[in-house]
Amino acid sequence: DIQMTQSPSSLSASVGDRVTITCRASQDISNSLAWFQQGPGKAPKSLIYSASSLQSGVPSRFSGSGSGTDFTLTINSLQPEDFATYYCQQYRTYPITFGQGTRLDIK
Amino acid sequence: QVQLQESGPGLVKPSQTLSLTCSVSSGSLSSGGYYWSWIRQNPGKGLEWIGYIYHTGDTYYNPSLKSRVTISVDTSKNQFSLKVSSVTAADTAVYYCARELYDTSGYYYVHYWGQGTLVTVSS
Repeated sequence: DIQMTQSPSSLSASVGDRVTITCRASQDISNSLAWFQQGPGKAPKSLIYSASSLQSGVPSRFSGSGSGTDFTLTINSLQPEDFATYYCQQYRTYPITFGQGTRLDIK
Repeated sequence: QVQLQESGPGLVKPSQTLSLTCSVSSGSLSSGGYYWSWIRQNPGKGLEWIGYIYHTGDTYYNPSLKSRVTISVDTSKNQFSLKVSSVTAADTAVYYCARELYDTSGYYYVHYWGQGTLVTVSS
């Protein structure tokens, strides 16, 4: 299985800040990388697919980049509703595997 | 907007079979173009993809669970189901049903999730 490693595991920031989360794959996955957000007690919500394509309805302050093994999720101008846990997901090869998550807290 | 809703017992005894159903609304399982999958989440192991089924009945399971997992589909009810046999405490988790969609390169990713249901394995 492809191992996905996210960093940091937790992060504190303020409303209006810009944050970056990193995800590394244990082998080349091209651009088959998705990001999703999970609020407390909520269903996960897809944000980005193909490493950098924004899911319909997702605010443009979210962006993704990367290819191969290294990927980033950037959130510009944090809003109160953005404080949640973020996960990456590789789907180049089955079984689909996930990062361990990055919890984003209010500073 | 498609809606996915998991249902089933919240408590299962060790060695028994866990059974869950996902009801799909505002969309037809028979229409094709999607994989319908199950994923679980527990604090110790994080997120684990279990497997998918296509509307034709074709399946693919995570090799780590393959010997104990069965996913089936009932297109007449617009539902798909999960069975995990011989459960232990390690199978305690929130179970999500989900829909996979293909990207522009033809690879399927999980793009829509149900709300999830907690299943506890305990005597």
